[in-house]
Amino acid sequence: GNSVTQMEGPVTLSEEAFLTINCTYTATGYPSLFWYVQYPGEGLQLLLKATKADDKGSNKGFEATYRKETTSFHLEKGSVQVSDSAVYFCALREETSGSRLTFGEGTQLTVNP
Amino acid sequence: KAGVTQTPRYLIKTRGQQVTLSCSPISGHRSVSWYQQTPGQGLQFLFEYFSETQRNKGNFPGRFSGRQFSNSRSEMNVSTLELGDSALYLCASSFLGHSYNEQFFGPGTRLTVL
Repeated sequence: GNSVTQMEGPVTLSEEAFLTINCTYTATGYPSLFWYVQYPGEGLQLLLKATKADDKGSNKGFEATYRKETTSFHLEKGSVQVSDSAVYFCALREETSGSRLTFGEGTQLTVNP
Repeated sequence: KAGVTQTPRYLIKTRGQQVTLSCSPISGHRSVSWYQQTPGQGLQFLFEYFSETQRNKGNFPGRFSGRQFSNSRSEMNVSTLELGDSALYLCASSFLGHSYNEQFFGPGTRLTVL
C-alpha cells in the first residue's frame, strides 16, 4: 500500500535559518505529492504540490521537488519566519484514488525570534 | 466564496453514545472527504462521498458511517463511542474529487469522549 514518511520532529529554528523537512514515499502508481500546513486550532491548508517527476512546487518561499528516483519530496525554505511556526504534513494522492490523501506523521516547526 | 464549514466545532460525549458531525462544502463542490486526526495515528482517511454515493472508504470499523445529501452537505456518524474515538475530525471538499482537483479543508470538529 501507499505510505509517507516524514523526518522525526519537532524542529526548532531561529528566525532566518534554513529549513529542510524530509519526506519520502511509497506508492504503487504515479502519485501527486503535496505539502499541507496546519496552524494551531485550524484545518489544513495546501502549501504546495507537484504532480509529476521533476516538478517543483513553490509557495510563500517554500519549495519542494518531486524526485522519483529517490521517492522523495523534501520541503525547503531559505529563511524562516516566526509566522511559519506550524505543523507540516507531506501527503500523496494516487491517480486512481480520487480525493483520498495519504499523510505523513507531521512535523512540528517552531521558529524563535 | 465561503470556505468549508463544520459543525459543531467542539463536542463532548460519553462512552457508548453516538454522535453526528456535519460538513458543508464550498459552493459547487461535489466531493466531500472525511479524515480523523489523532496524536497517535496521525491523519487517517475515513471515507469520500460524491453525488450522494460513497466512492472510497478507509480502514475503519462499521461504527463509522456517513452520508451525503443532494446539496452536497455531508454528515458522519459514530455509534457506540469509545475513548479512542477522541480526535479532530476534518472534512475536505473538492470540485469533482478528481486527483487533480485541489481539496479544501474545514477547521474540524474536536470530539472528546469521556
